[in-house]
Amino acid sequence: GAGVSQSPSNKVTEKGKDVELRCDPISGHTALYWYRQSLGQGLEFLIYFQGNSAPDKSGLPSDRFSAERTGGSVSTLTIQRTQQEDSAVYLCASSYPDRATGYTFGSGTRLTVV
Amino acid sequence: DQQVKQNSPSLSVQEGRISILNCDYTNSMFDYFLWYKKYPAEGPTFLISISSIKDKNEDGRFTVFLNKSAKHLSLHIVPSQPGDSAVYFCAASPYPSNTGKLIFGQGTTLQVKP
Repeated sequence: GAGVSQSPSNKVTEKGKDVELRCDPISGHTALYWYRQSLGQGLEFLIYFQGNSAPDKSGLPSDRFSAERTGGSVSTLTIQRTQQEDSAVYLCASSYPDRATGYTFGSGTRLTVV
Repeated sequence: DQQVKQNSPSLSVQEGRISILNCDYTNSMFDYFLWYKKYPAEGPTFLISISSIKDKNEDGRFTVFLNKSAKHLSLHIVPSQPGDSAVYFCAASPYPSNTGKLIFGQGTTLQVKP
């Protein structure tokens, strides 16, 4: 597709369950990012993948969070043992290695932990 | 520690008038700045950017001003249109950077009244 695709668009899960969020970046974009936006908050950086380099995981809030990027394309963000404070919109973005054009974001996955 | 701050959570202006959205940053290593616009249930979209070697960048109705000594940037929208009603995020990129993660502000909700 032409844009960044995220699935599911909405996810309601019970506290303590694991969830997987998927991101399909724009073809050819070597950089992929995960951010989240909690209610009333700004965009919080989670993790960044660039080509074959080791990912920058400095934004992951706890060891319950992990992410993979397979084959330099699709990425999966996994949250284990979900907590209510994990409820947020999780946004994926991708880009070329040219920051002048900025990122292209997906529409996000709204995660609600009940 | 909020390195990029948008101190006005909301702004309301009349159609046709100027909208001025402000952003302050604390890290002098930031050398590239971007503005994103976000509609409900959509991902943010890139609007305009500016490098620290400039103090102004213009694109149609949108102009971004950068005051490095004050660590302040602003986005001017002239004339404002109802379709501009959205959440606006400023973001900063540290030097050196080749894409890399962006640090976002909390966002300002702009309402343009017809």
